[in-house]
Amino acid sequence: QVQLQESGPGLVKPSQTLSLTCTVSGSSINSDNHWWTWIRQPAGEGLQWIGRIFNTGSINYNPSLASRVSISVDTSNNQFSLKLTSVTAADTGVYYCAREYRGYDFAIDFWGQGTLVAVSS
Amino acid sequence: QSVLTQPPSVSATPGQKVTISCSGSSSNIGSNSVSWYRHLPGTAPKLLIYENNKRPSGIPDRFSGSKSGTSATLAITGLQTGDEADYYCETWETNLSAGWVFGGGTKLTVL
Repeated sequence: QVQLQESGPGLVKPSQTLSLTCTVSGSSINSDNHWWTWIRQPAGEGLQWIGRIFNTGSINYNPSLASRVSISVDTSNNQFSLKLTSVTAADTGVYYCAREYRGYDFAIDFWGQGTLVAVSS
Repeated sequence: QSVLTQPPSVSATPGQKVTISCSGSSSNIGSNSVSWYRHLPGTAPKLLIYENNKRPSGIPDRFSGSKSGTSATLAITGLQTGDEADYYCETWETNLSAGWVFGGGTKLTVL
């Protein structure tokens, strides 16, 4: 069974860096059939795509966040990670890691449960 | 402001049919396939429809999707109280701001 689990601090101070890791089980990060994606739901808003990474190292970022975002992959631990710099209260929300599947035209077939990150001093 | 436009809310009674629209442009829906997700806040979103009208294994045929031009529609028949949730459309944006884009979400209330 495929499972994704987000981990990281639930509280980050303004201007600091938000760092989250997604641990994947039941599916290989090295697969050519999947992109690995971060999505968030800011407080009181809808879903917002942050960015994604492929096993070759190819990366796409949401242009509105690109100057502050970096996504990386750790194939030895079957994990991928998100860093978001210079956070503000607007970055408060639930952060999801997810798997896109080539067989579904890269729709997201598995999601993590989400982790709430609050930006506050 | 979402690139894809959905109605903020829809409602219907159990057993009825409801449709949720998703309007975009030639650089997103007009050029790429659409997916639909159901989301209960605090839980993981769930894929209902991919490639405009295909259902993943385990999704009942009460859920169907369609696309025409720059718009897509999710239809749910035989509404159940358990269908109450937020519904999101998603597609790829191919212009200078390339990437996945979501609709603003539609809250379905089953009265």
